Amino acid sequence: SAVISQKPSRDICQRGTSLTIQCQVDSQVTMMFWYRQQPGQSLTLIATANQGSEATYESGFVIDKFPISRPNLTFSTLTVSNMSPEDSSIYLCSVSPDSYQPQHFGDGTRLSIL
Amino acid sequence: GENVEQHPSTLSVQEGDSAVIKCTYSDSASNYFPWYKQELGKGPQLIIDIRSNVGEKKDQRIAVTLNKTAKHFSLHITETQPEDSAVYFCAASINRGSTLGRLYFGRGTQLTVWP
Repeated sequence: SAVISQKPSRDICQRGTSLTIQCQVDSQVTMMFWYRQQPGQSLTLIATANQGSEATYESGFVIDKFPISRPNLTFSTLTVSNMSPEDSSIYLCSVSPDSYQPQHFGDGTRLSIL
Repeated sequence: GENVEQHPSTLSVQEGDSAVIKCTYSDSASNYFPWYKQELGKGPQLIIDIRSNVGEKKDQRIAVTLNKTAKHFSLHITETQPEDSAVYFCAASINRGSTLGRLYFGRGTQLTVWP
């Protein structure tokens, strides 16, 4: 399966600031997704990153708070804007080579907001 | 949307014993069911999946069973080893044709295997 690299692996940020998380894949993939996993909790889909168009956001998540870019078939970024302690979480990128194949996850970005 | 319930939330077994984790889903249209294993500090790793046209699938010590009528599916791990200790997530999705839909995850099961 594809090798998925997320950067940074962890960060500690001040409230009110923004952080951009990168997801790089070693092969072209059609589908890229961003998830949030709060401590000890399950995975919640934030949005589907669409190449060349706006991301598709799930209920409860908005573009102003979580802007996403997908400039090509191997790279995407998620920005967490105007952070508050409630944004402390693990943010995970997942990919699928095409819409017929299962999703595979990166190791995530562990974000703490002070 | 789909609602996936997962039980138990924690499971402790002795090395060599079997472990079973159960999930139920609400939408009868769901037809793809993957299982993920998440070790500490890592992302979820796909370990096995099943589609609704089969009732059981095995891969060495891991098996998944599906009961479409009852809308539940289970993960079975035999001859457990300490390295099986992790959080396991079930998920469900609705596929249209061959296209995989979005995943709905259960809340996870922390499995601990004692040597």
